[in-house]
Amino acid sequence: NAGVTQTPKFRILKIGQSMTLQCAQDMNHNYMYWYRQDPGMGLKLIYYSVGAGITDKGEVPNGYNVSRSTTEDFPLRLELAAPSQTSVYFCASSYSEGALYGYTFGSGTRLTVV
Amino acid sequence: GQQLNQSPQSMFIQEGEDVSMNCTSSSIFNTWLWYKQDPGEGPVLLIALYKAGELTSNGRLTAQFGITRKDSFLNISASIPSDVGIYFCAGLNYGGSQGNLIFGKGTKLSVKP
Repeated sequence: NAGVTQTPKFRILKIGQSMTLQCAQDMNHNYMYWYRQDPGMGLKLIYYSVGAGITDKGEVPNGYNVSRSTTEDFPLRLELAAPSQTSVYFCASSYSEGALYGYTFGSGTRLTVV
Repeated sequence: GQQLNQSPQSMFIQEGEDVSMNCTSSSIFNTWLWYKQDPGEGPVLLIALYKAGELTSNGRLTAQFGITRKDSFLNISASIPSDVGIYFCAGLNYGGSQGNLIFGKGTKLSVKP
């Protein structure tokens, strides 16, 4: 019962580097989400997906890209890392529209850009 | 965009005390959710509320969906040290674009043994 698995847990990037944050879920959820959490600011939606092959922007998509080639995986790509992207990133999934049963979150990736 | 005002921002209480926190919005929501986040972990769903006026309990936790649909409350009775963490409210509307779960900024709870 892995749920939502995020890798890596921690990463330090230099300005301008790129990386992919991995997210996988084994619950056969159609809906997946990426959030970032800054201190005292709650969670902000970056991108979401309602199914394989379908993605859409959330509230703060600039500087990020996503893809959804399978139901299980929803990687988040940072192409040119900037200090403003220092944050904790959470991936989540849900069974149905509107999170009727709540979102299941991964344990997060803490990213520092220096 | 829609915003949730969650208060208080932080609380320092003695073990055994009761805790109350709330979320308010200028917009109506169809669903209210309450999450808890332990240090270094992702948020975990505590309680989901689907109807205005609904009162739901989960052990020592009780949450209510406000009659106006613009607010929600979470109460924790007889707090214990493992209640420490950040509590988030989240509001949701159906029918709009997907991904419209709006989170409050959280209430950080500290419990002194």
